[in-house]
Order: sequence, then structure tokens, then C-alpha cells
Amino acid sequence: NAGVTQTPKFQVLKTGQSMTLQCAQDMNHEYMSWYRQDPGMGLRLIHYSVGAGITDQGEVPNGYNVSRSTTEDFPLRLLSAAPSQTSVYFCASGNHRVSGNTIYFGEGSWLTVV
Amino acid sequence: GENVEQHPSTLSVQEGDSAVIKCTYSDSASNYFPWYKQELGKGPQLIIDIRSNVGEKKDQRIAVTLNKTAKHFSLHITETQPEDSAVYFCAASSGSNFGNEKLTFGTGTRLTIIP
Repeated sequence: NAGVTQTPKFQVLKTGQSMTLQCAQDMNHEYMSWYRQDPGMGLRLIHYSVGAGITDQGEVPNGYNVSRSTTEDFPLRLLSAAPSQTSVYFCASGNHRVSGNTIYFGEGSWLTVV
Repeated sequence: GENVEQHPSTLSVQEGDSAVIKCTYSDSASNYFPWYKQELGKGPQLIIDIRSNVGEKKDQRIAVTLNKTAKHFSLHITETQPEDSAVYFCAASSGSNFGNEKLTFGTGTRLTIIP
């Protein structure tokens, strides 16, 4: 999982609280994305970005916001956490011109909403 | 949108035997099919991928086959070793300028290699 850093690794939130999951990559990748992983459901795309200033929705965007002010950072914001957002979150990045088709994933952020 | 189904959900094989994991996809526009390996507590890692203009690709003990007509693709691991034990995910994408932004994943296969 070279070069994609996620923080925090673990977080417990109360329902209604807000928080930001941070993601940074140092590989000059244009593409970044957020997935959530739930038991028996694989990984589902939340939001993605193909470059600074550009973001778009994935399969499950509701309840999450993103921004891409720099190439390196792609934070994921939960505005009002709900128990249904308990999951493992993975940030990923890639650049077709640099790394071909390889998408690099971070180590994951375990989020529990109580 | 795209739907990817993966089977089996769990697979146990004796060390040295072969393992096969199968996936089907629904969107005929999909043209990129990667396979990821995920070890406990880690993020997924790309192990092999194939594009729709190729029917088979090999990398040492790992191979992927693609049948566009039937819309299915498979991962083959030969001469399995204990370190192959992990969860494997298939994925599909119809791509864009980069080709792999919007991956749709299968639900995963937990492979256990029995020593």
C-alpha cells in the first residue's frame, strides 16, 4: 500500500457527530477515491476525483462530502454520523500515465458510530 | 449500473492444489477487470488485471481468463501456498479517460490454503 496514508486508523463516533477522514498520497496521482467495505458486500465507491477541483459521486454518496483542493489530499467528511455509516473506509489513488492501471489502497479507517 | 457477482464466498484447498474463483458482470460496456488480494487488516492490493481485448493473462502462478460473450472472468491460482490465504475480490469498470476510476467490486472470496 505504497504512498496512500489514511488517518485516523480507528474512530468511535456518537450518532449526530461530524468528523473527517483524512487521505493523502505522495505519488502525484490525479485520481483519488473513497470506498467503504461492509461484511458480505465487497467495496462500494462513495466519491471519487480525477483531479484537483473535480469530484463526483460514486455508488453510495449519501451522508458524505468530499473536496479536492490539492492533488495530494482527498478528505471524506461525515456531517452527521449515523449507525449505518459504521464501516471500514478505504482511500485509493492512481494515475494511468504513471502507474498504469494500478490503484493503490490505503490501510483503511475503522469507523464505529454508536 | 454495473453488477458483479463472485463465487464462491469461501474456498479451501490443499497446499499445492489449484484454486479458481469466478465472477460475472452485467454491463457489456465494462472493459477492465482487476483482481485484488486483501490480507487481514490491510487494504486491497492489485494482483492481476485484464482488459476486454485480451482473453487470458498470466503472471507466474496467477492467471485470469475473460469470456466477453458470457460476461464472466476467472482467477486461477496454481501450486497454492500458505501465503495465498487471503480474501480475493474481483472488480469491473467501464472506464473513462483513465480506465479505472469507478470500480464495481464483487463480494469477495475467502481463500484458505490447508497445509
